[in-house]
Amino acid sequence: QKEVEQDPGPLSVPEGAIVSLNCTYSNSAFQYFMWYRQYSRKGPELLMYTYSSGNKEDGRFTAQVDKSSKYISLFIRDSQPSDSATYLCAMTYNAGNMLTFGGGTRLMVKP
Amino acid sequence: DVKVTQSSRYLVKRTGEKVFLECVQDMDHENMFWYRQDPGLGLRLIYFSYDVKMKEKGDIPEGYSVSREKKERFSLILESASTNQTSMYLCASTTEAGARNEQFFGPGTRLTVL
Repeated sequence: QKEVEQDPGPLSVPEGAIVSLNCTYSNSAFQYFMWYRQYSRKGPELLMYTYSSGNKEDGRFTAQVDKSSKYISLFIRDSQPSDSATYLCAMTYNAGNMLTFGGGTRLMVKP
Repeated sequence: DVKVTQSSRYLVKRTGEKVFLECVQDMDHENMFWYRQDPGLGLRLIYFSYDVKMKEKGDIPEGYSVSREKKERFSLILESASTNQTSMYLCASTTEAGARNEQFFGPGTRLTVL
């Protein structure tokens, strides 16, 4: 079993839809949780960063962490075609430690 | 803006060839990483370096070696390329002073081994 599980998709939604992307993990020691976005033929870029449990909002994006369930989510409101990309979750034990990545979910937002 | 560049976007090599992948970052970052990315498997860490001439094995170092002679440059070497090393290779860097674990990635090199 992989340490971090993520549905590979592809997930296809119409423009304007609310998107929910999820990861589950097995190691309860993870404290820092991230979402990276990777456009086609590009390297990943950090999108959201959260520490421990709770929600964090940034514009149309909300990151949610539920440590009791070992489950993290990324919500995208009013999705746009420009949101079409692969979304990778990542997590680590302490600041400065190596990241463990999920497999990535490919999202397609259709106009 | 942090910039991480990789020497080639696409590379085609033959089985048994020695392959060099180069990565350069321009932000004086201490830490540099090499990953490979395969469908459904996400990013898997091959090697990382936290200082010049220092290197540590990641999760899948077999068949690879690395070199870091200068702070800004981190090279990945495939001593004898094999078809199972066909993959996307991503280089990343980060600073020890960064509290967000943010890794800055290059655009990737898609390597095909025939």
